[in-house]
Amino acid sequence: EPEVTQTPSHQVTQMGQEVILRCVPISNHLYFYWYRQILGQKVEFLVSFYNNEISEKSEIFDDQFSVERPDGSNFTLKIRSTKLEDSAMYFCASKEGAGQPQHFGDGTRLSIL
Amino acid sequence: EDQVTQSPEALRLQEGESSSLNCSYTVSGLRGLFWYRQDPGKGPEFLFTLYSAGEEKEKERLKATLTKKESFLHITAPKPEDSATYLCAVLLGGDYKLSFGAGTTVTVRA
Repeated sequence: EPEVTQTPSHQVTQMGQEVILRCVPISNHLYFYWYRQILGQKVEFLVSFYNNEISEKSEIFDDQFSVERPDGSNFTLKIRSTKLEDSAMYFCASKEGAGQPQHFGDGTRLSIL
Repeated sequence: EDQVTQSPEALRLQEGESSSLNCSYTVSGLRGLFWYRQDPGKGPEFLFTLYSAGEEKEKERLKATLTKKESFLHITAPKPEDSATYLCAVLLGGDYKLSFGAGTTVTVRA
């Protein structure tokens, strides 16, 4: 069964450094998402991406965050200057079409030191 | 403000002891309600989508139902492998984002 793949599984970065989280969505999917889950808290929406542009973003997704779909298979989340509070599990998700369920990857655990 | 509340926070069951999880929501114009299962260190795994009051979906020992204000996930005769956190989420704003509840962690003892 096709699945969403995320790399790396764990990323450790010094505060202030840039980090790029990578995702390969399911191949025929058209909608792409990033969510995060701080330890012990709810899964929170960050951003959605459709038709090569951001369709919606949350208050968390400030100027330090950006997303890109550089080619036909990858979807990336960049954090320019990481903060301690960016430590969380970051999930990528994708879906085939409107009204369809989102399918999630197993996440990247980001630890900021 | 749109909200999703799940109860209880945790549920400990004996194998075979059926129970129900609750997800109540306050959203204007529900576009869809989703149930996911999340195992430790993993991403949410899709289980069900419900769109309108009265709708029911079933998969093995799980059955999801929807009313105008809440959804239930019924676990019938659970097995230890049903142990997981079950997440409820509602689709908000133009089909672009999910708003999740905090989840119910289910532990099934043999």
